[in-house]
Amino acid sequence: TQLLEQSPQFLSIQEGENLTVYCNSSSVFSSLQWYRQEPGEGPVLLVTVVTGGEVKKLKRLTFQFGDARKDSSLHITAAQPGDTGLYLCAGVGSSNTGKLIFGQGTTLQVKP
Amino acid sequence: EPEVTQTPSHQVTQMGQEVILRCVPISNHLYFYWYRQILGQKVEFLVSFYNNEISEKSEIFDDQFSVERPDGSNFTLKIRSTKLEDSAMYFCASGKEGQSNSPLHFGNGTRLTVT
Repeated sequence: TQLLEQSPQFLSIQEGENLTVYCNSSSVFSSLQWYRQEPGEGPVLLVTVVTGGEVKKLKRLTFQFGDARKDSSLHITAAQPGDTGLYLCAGVGSSNTGKLIFGQGTTLQVKP
Repeated sequence: EPEVTQTPSHQVTQMGQEVILRCVPISNHLYFYWYRQILGQKVEFLVSFYNNEISEKSEIFDDQFSVERPDGSNFTLKIRSTKLEDSAMYFCASGKEGQSNSPLHFGNGTRLTVT
């Protein structure tokens, strides 16, 4: 069974600080996706990383896929209150149906 | 931008009753999914659907659950006899392809409360 462990589960920081969220597995994933979910809404895709070692940037967000494609990280530089939300990592399962396996999520609070 | 729409946004039902959760996926998408999220827990895969049949289902998706795409537009999830533990947010998602780098688009969910 493929599992994703996401950490930390909760993070409360001050505006301007940097943070990193980790997503780890003992399994290899063909790709990994990061989502953001607002209360009362569905997850919204931020980025997909496909190649081992790949780094993608989305403004102040940097996403990295591990060389072995078993782990990923999300780094936010100079966090802002607007970054507050739930961040989810999700690996594409090995079954070729497009099924996603989600981590537990990281609830981020950025205080002004 | 096209989006996945789900109705109702909130459904309250009594234990043992049948419920049907409805979804309208993005029109040119071919892969359809249901996920659920129990309060405080991770998003869990229920079922994937392609070419008018289930392509994969999880252990959660037992005989009480069924899916249907009755008219080429709607994609429904039916729970035949609801249990208290079925209370959760249910998300529908669709994708253009079932490949690893094809993004899924999620609806805003239906909050199911079983009393």
